[in-house]
Amino acid sequence: AQSVTQLGSHVSVSEGALVLLRCNYSSSVPPYLFWYVQYPNQGLQLLLKYTSAATLVKGINGFEAEFKKSETSFHLTKPSAHMRDAAEYFCAVSDEEDSSASKIIFGSGTRLSIRP
Amino acid sequence: GAVVSQHPSRVICKSGTSVKIECRSLDFQATTMFWYRQFPKQSLMLMATSNEGSKATYEQGVEKDKFLINHASLTLSTLTVTSAHPEDSSFYICSAIQGWGNEQFFGPGTRLTVL
Repeated sequence: AQSVTQLGSHVSVSEGALVLLRCNYSSSVPPYLFWYVQYPNQGLQLLLKYTSAATLVKGINGFEAEFKKSETSFHLTKPSAHMRDAAEYFCAVSDEEDSSASKIIFGSGTRLSIRP
Repeated sequence: GAVVSQHPSRVICKSGTSVKIECRSLDFQATTMFWYRQFPKQSLMLMATSNEGSKATYEQGVEKDKFLINHASLTLSTLTVTSAHPEDSSFYICSAIQGWGNEQFFGPGTRLTVL
């Protein structure tokens, strides 16, 4: 079954530093991949989505992610962290039985902390 | 963007009682709604998929008689936790889509605490 693995349950960076959140996927078919952000006690907001159109995907709030098939990775990056980026980030993959990608499976999440 | 609301945002109940959580799509018609459960510091686990006017499809391991889902209209789905126990305490999140294949929009979540 398809799944995503997020390396590092907690990442801490300084304000202005590079943000790198890691995600590896396993899927037997070309997947749709997502990154979501969750602020405390709130629902999820879509940051970006990979649908095979382009390997480098740009999202909201300055985030982007690159799909690397050879590494089965979809890491999330942002050149310069802001205090407001502190949140929980979830990588997700589409259910391979659902080609429309409406049903998705979430990774375990990475909590991003920003140091002043 | 599309807005999904949940009510209540927080509920505390006694063990053995039932609790109903509402999920509403405010500015679009949701043909499908999803219900997730999120334990502290863990990811979202899909509980069930709900299509308007039909029975919900539950994920493996989710008790359909305990977690009753009703999707009576294109803007409202409800999740009722029956005979709640402390282990049911969790953050319950719904999402909605306007047609299969479209982006999921998430509600703000409902924190359930069972005493």
